[in-house]
Amino acid sequence: QKEVEQNSGPLSVPEGAIASLNCTYSDRGSQSFFWYRQYSGKSPELIMSIYSNGDKEDGRFTAQLNKASQYVSLLIRDSQPSDSATYLCALRDNNNDMRFGAGTRLTVKP
Amino acid sequence: EAQVTQNPRYLITVTGKKLTVTCSQNMNHEYMSWYRQDPGLGLRQIYYSMNVEVTDKGDVPEGYKVSRKEKRNFPLILESPSPNQTSLYFCASSLRGHRGQPLYEQYFGPGTRLTVT
Repeated sequence: QKEVEQNSGPLSVPEGAIASLNCTYSDRGSQSFFWYRQYSGKSPELIMSIYSNGDKEDGRFTAQLNKASQYVSLLIRDSQPSDSATYLCALRDNNNDMRFGAGTRLTVKP
Repeated sequence: EAQVTQNPRYLITVTGKKLTVTCSQNMNHEYMSWYRQDPGLGLRQIYYSMNVEVTDKGDVPEGYKVSRKEKRNFPLILESPSPNQTSLYFCASSLRGHRGQPLYEQYFGPGTRLTVT
């Protein structure tokens, strides 16, 4: 089992819709969770970090963390074509090492 | 401007020809790291460094070397490249946090696309 699992997609949503991206992880000791956005051919950029259970909102982005169920999700409201990218879920595991998922490719259609 | 730079950005080479990919950051970060990114596998850590003269292996260190003689630079060395090292490579840096591991956000360089034939 991979340590950080994401559906590779592609996930396609119409412009203006809510995009929901999910991530599950295996290490129950993981404490810090991150969502990175990566445009094709570019480097990852951090868009959200979350450390405690519940929701964290930042503009159109909401990260949700449920440590009991070992999943973290990212909601993108009012999706725009410019949101089309690959979204990487990452965490710091119990050994304090950074682990990345393989990413979910999101396409927002005008 | 705070940034991580990598050179070269693109490189095509042949099996066995030694190469070095440079990485430099201007943010005075203690922690630096190298990743490779392959389709379906995500980012995998090759080596990391918590400070000058301190380096350690990540998940996939075989076939790579690193050095950290100065705080700002962290070159990745492939002594004898092979085709399975064809990949997209990213350098990243961060402030150092608890137990020396990266503190929160890592800043990534623009990437180096390496092809080994």
